[in-house]
Amino acid sequence: QITLKESGPTLVKSTQALTLTCTFSGFSIASSGVGVGWVRQPPGQALEWLALIYWDDDRRYSPSLKSRLTITKDTSRNQVLLIMTNTDPLDTATYFCAHAGDSGWAFDYWGQGAFVTVSS
Amino acid sequence: SYDLTQPPSLSVSPGQTVSITCSGDELVNKYASWYQQKPGQSPILVIFQDTKRPSGIPERFSGSNSGSTATLTISGTQAIDEADYFCQAWDSNVLWVFGGGTKLTVL
Repeated sequence: QITLKESGPTLVKSTQALTLTCTFSGFSIASSGVGVGWVRQPPGQALEWLALIYWDDDRRYSPSLKSRLTITKDTSRNQVLLIMTNTDPLDTATYFCAHAGDSGWAFDYWGQGAFVTVSS
Repeated sequence: SYDLTQPPSLSVSPGQTVSITCSGDELVNKYASWYQQKPGQSPILVIFQDTKRPSGIPERFSGSNSGSTATLTISGTQAIDEADYFCQAWDSNVLWVFGGGTKLTVL
């Protein structure tokens, strides 16, 4: 059974960095073809893909946010981290981590999401 | 940037068939997926690689992708299908892109 769970601060101040952790079970990110991504959703708005890291450490970023994002993995701890620098109140959103790999380039398992408020 | 366009809202009567469209430039050359999201919940994958259904997704959900439009069709719509639906496209250039979402009302 694959599960993912996001953790991190619920409130950050504008311009500060935001670090989110995705802790997962039921799969290994060392397995060929597996990836873990981050997707966010501002209140009442659409989903927005942010970043994804593959089993082989290949990293992909949303072009519009690439300069502010870093994604890393800790295979032994079954964790993927997302760091977002220079936050803004517009970054207030629910942040989801999700598994990719068994369903092509789709996200087939999602965490419950973590709501982060960026205050001015 | 690559954009996917969905109708903001649709309504359907129980038992009827509804199609939700997702339009993007040469979308047929990308892999389309669809997600269902109910209020306060995480998205659920209902269609991937244009037409495939994940295990556990009812047969009434089907997908297609032709030209510049991907379509999610729900046949025999049930009240439990009321939700927001998001399309998502992937290729090696645009990577992952989501549509703006369609709020489906069953009434």
